[in-house]
Amino acid sequence: EAQVTQNPRYLITVTGKKLTVTCSQNMNHEYMSWYRQDPGLGLRQIYYSMNVEVTDKGDVPEGYKVSRKEKRNFPLILESPSPNQTSLYFCATTGGNDYGYTFGSGTRLTVV
Amino acid sequence: GDSVTQMEGPVTLSEEAFLTINCTYTATGYPSLFWYVQYPGEGLQLLLKATKADDKGSNKGFEATYRKETTSFHLEKGSVQVSDSAVYFCALSAPTSGTYKYIFGTGTRLKVLA
Repeated sequence: EAQVTQNPRYLITVTGKKLTVTCSQNMNHEYMSWYRQDPGLGLRQIYYSMNVEVTDKGDVPEGYKVSRKEKRNFPLILESPSPNQTSLYFCATTGGNDYGYTFGSGTRLTVV
Repeated sequence: GDSVTQMEGPVTLSEEAFLTINCTYTATGYPSLFWYVQYPGEGLQLLLKATKADDKGSNKGFEATYRKETTSFHLEKGSVQVSDSAVYFCALSAPTSGTYKYIFGTGTRLKVLA
């Protein structure tokens, strides 16, 4: 079954404590992306990756890092989280413009 | 730049009522258009799509037609059920970006009452 697996589903952390949200896909897609979802703002792209070792900023990259060392994994790193990064995060992958995204189940992050 | 505009929610309907959720877009080139659904506590699931003008996407009783002349992709269902209560997102792919970037509307919450 085609899947995007995110972990953890829920995370409460304190300001400044580094964290990583993992994302893994089994569809052998080259493209992966991270979005955050906030009420009234919809989904906004944080970072994306066109292939292994190729990453680029989306619309709201400040405060985030990513890496793509292998095709299936695309972790999102918050090196010093702040309360304004409290949000619902989604990892997604696609095979192209006409296919649609497959999303992970989401990670609800709270930074206190 | 490319953008998607959805009608504000929430939309509250009685069971078996007709549903329309409006979506219009602005895009350079010829985007593909999508509707996603998000049930409470879950991720977004692809509901339907249309990849060229006049295409009709359909799934689970939902339909949407890609109207290039009005730059619209309105979601419709003839008879909604309580189980359709969710948030619906309209989205487009931006082929001119060269990055498979998808642009989403802000979502429309649908509540169906028994």
